[in-house]
This record gives sequence, structure tokens and C-alpha cells, in this order.
Amino acid sequence: DAGITQSPRHKVTETGTPVTLRCHQTENHRYMYWYRQDPGHGLRLIHYSYGVKDTDKGEVSDGYSVSRSKTEDFLLTLESATSSQTSVYFCAISESGGGYPYEQYFGPGTRLTVT
Amino acid sequence: GENVEQHPSTLSVQEGDSAVIKCTYSDSASNYFPWYKQELGKGPQLIIDIRSNVGEKKDQRIAVTLNKTAKHFSLHITETQPEDSAVYFCAASRPSRGGYNKLIFGAGTRLAVHP
Repeated sequence: DAGITQSPRHKVTETGTPVTLRCHQTENHRYMYWYRQDPGHGLRLIHYSYGVKDTDKGEVSDGYSVSRSKTEDFLLTLESATSSQTSVYFCAISESGGGYPYEQYFGPGTRLTVT
Repeated sequence: GENVEQHPSTLSVQEGDSAVIKCTYSDSASNYFPWYKQELGKGPQLIIDIRSNVGEKKDQRIAVTLNKTAKHFSLHITETQPEDSAVYFCAASRPSRGGYNKLIFGAGTRLAVHP
């Protein structure tokens, strides 16, 4: 998984509680991404980061926030979890340079269940 | 925005046969098209990618073709083996000033290779 770890790997939480997922990379890549994967939808981008403290929204960002205080760590927070946020969450990383797309590598995922 | 459609959703082949998965995209500015393989319980693994300045790319038993005029690209797996059984995802992204990839994924194809 290209030097990417995610924690926790599994979590069950109750509706209305806050949840934070962590992505850690050892590749020193500039870009980090959070996706969610749901049946029939493939993977959808939640938020991404293009540097420390630099983040932007993806296509399904409502209900999620992110933070990146260090190059190697990218946190995804659900401020008040809802059942619709039950999903598998993947972190990804990519290198940078010249406006040309670089390969994107994924972590092992976190399975989140909101009851 | 970009939309990526992937067909078929399921594909069953006999070991040794070829498998073809097709994707169409809507954004004519897209210039990067990766393919991912996802095994059960794991993160997506990049298996091959193609950029818009080439029409075909091959890596051992897998190949990808791109038709920019028709806005479609395909994954070809020859001499399939049981270990090729997995879910395959196509994706597309357009150029960005910063070099990051906002990948838009297809819904996935579940490939089963029967001995």
C-alpha cells in the first residue's frame, strides 16, 4: 500500500458522535486525498490536500472536515456522524509537478459503521 | 462535471480467456486514465494508466486503449488467471494547475475467472 497506513481499520459509532480517521504516509508526497466507497458508486472524493494546511473540497464534502498539520498526516473528521456516512474510507497520495497528473496510490481503508 | 461510465458491472470468464472492460468519460479535457484492481478487503491497486498523448499501453497480460475522439478507454486482460478475479475500476482526471488528481471513478466491474 505504498507506505500508507490508516487508523482505525474498523470503527462502529453511534449517530451524532464525532469521529476522526487518520491517514499517515511515509512517502513524503505532497498531495493527499480522502475518498469514500459505496456499492454502485465507485470511489468519490471527499476532500484533498495540496500541502500543509492547504485543503479543498471534493465532490461529496458535506458533513466532513479535514486537517493537515504535517506533511505525513491527513485527518478526516465527521463532526456528527450520520447513518449515511456508513462507508469504507480510503486515503490516497500522489506526487506533484508541472500540472501533469501523477499516479495516485491508496491505503488499506477504514470501514466505518454508524448505528 | 466529469462523469465516467463503466461496463459491464459483472464479467465472468473461463481461465485462459480474454476479458475486456470499457469506460466512457464526458469531459473532453480529461488527460489521465488509470485502472485500479481491488481485492476483497484491500485498497485499490494501480495496475496500469494511460495519458492522452498515447493511444495504447501494454504491460505483460494487461493493456489499455484510449479513443479520445469517442471519449472511451478500455482495459484488456489476456490469458486470464484465477488471481485476476477482483473488482476493477476505471477513472479519469483533467489537468490542474497544481498537478493534483481529482479522479472521477467508474462504478466498477466485478471480474470472476473460473478454473
